[in-house]
Amino acid sequence: AQKVTQAQTEISVVEKEDVTLDCVYETRDTTYYLFWYKQPPSGELVFLIRRNSFDEQNEISGRYSWNFQKSTSSFNFTITASQVVDSAVYFCALSGNTGGFKTIFGAGTRLFVKA
Amino acid sequence: KAGVTQTPRYLIKTRGQQVTLSCSPISGHRSVSWYQQTPGQGLQFLFEYFSETQRNKGNFPGRFSGRQFSNSRSEMNVSTLELGDSALYLCASSNGLAGGPGEQFFGPGTRLTVL
Repeated sequence: AQKVTQAQTEISVVEKEDVTLDCVYETRDTTYYLFWYKQPPSGELVFLIRRNSFDEQNEISGRYSWNFQKSTSSFNFTITASQVVDSAVYFCALSGNTGGFKTIFGAGTRLFVKA
Repeated sequence: KAGVTQTPRYLIKTRGQQVTLSCSPISGHRSVSWYQQTPGQGLQFLFEYFSETQRNKGNFPGRFSGRQFSNSRSEMNVSTLELGDSALYLCASSNGLAGGPGEQFFGPGTRLTVL
């Protein structure tokens, strides 16, 4: 079975702090994809990143960075110098080839960034 | 490009009734997925349609059904509504092409309340 665990339910930081959102996944698939999505208060989920199981290279996009480690089945997301606009619920998701690549979402981490 | 649109945005029904929700994907996208989001269960995959065929299905009872039309627009139907069906129903579109699941573009959702 596939599973995504986001152990942090809520995180509160002060603006300009760095924050890391954890994501641990379980799958027996050899081919799978990992995603992060952001759901701001407006409600619409926004795609942030996709990573496939064969590409463990870390990625940086502006203030956002992702650390993918197959050895620990983790795909963590770090926001550097957080801003109030980063306040949202962040979801990690997994899509594996068994079962036709349906997407399983974690429970989400609610991030509060205070000014 | 216009984004994913969902209608209606809000809906109130009573137990036992049925409801139909509509989703128009981004132009050119052939895959439409539906998710149910509740505070207790989080984001759960309902089903995915690609080129008018159901390609994937989650673990929901048969009361939940869907279809996709030749223009890729999709509808989902819930019959014999129960109180527990109250949720935000999200539609997501993607190009659905080979090479694994791509990023999904989400609509604003339909907020269904069952009384």
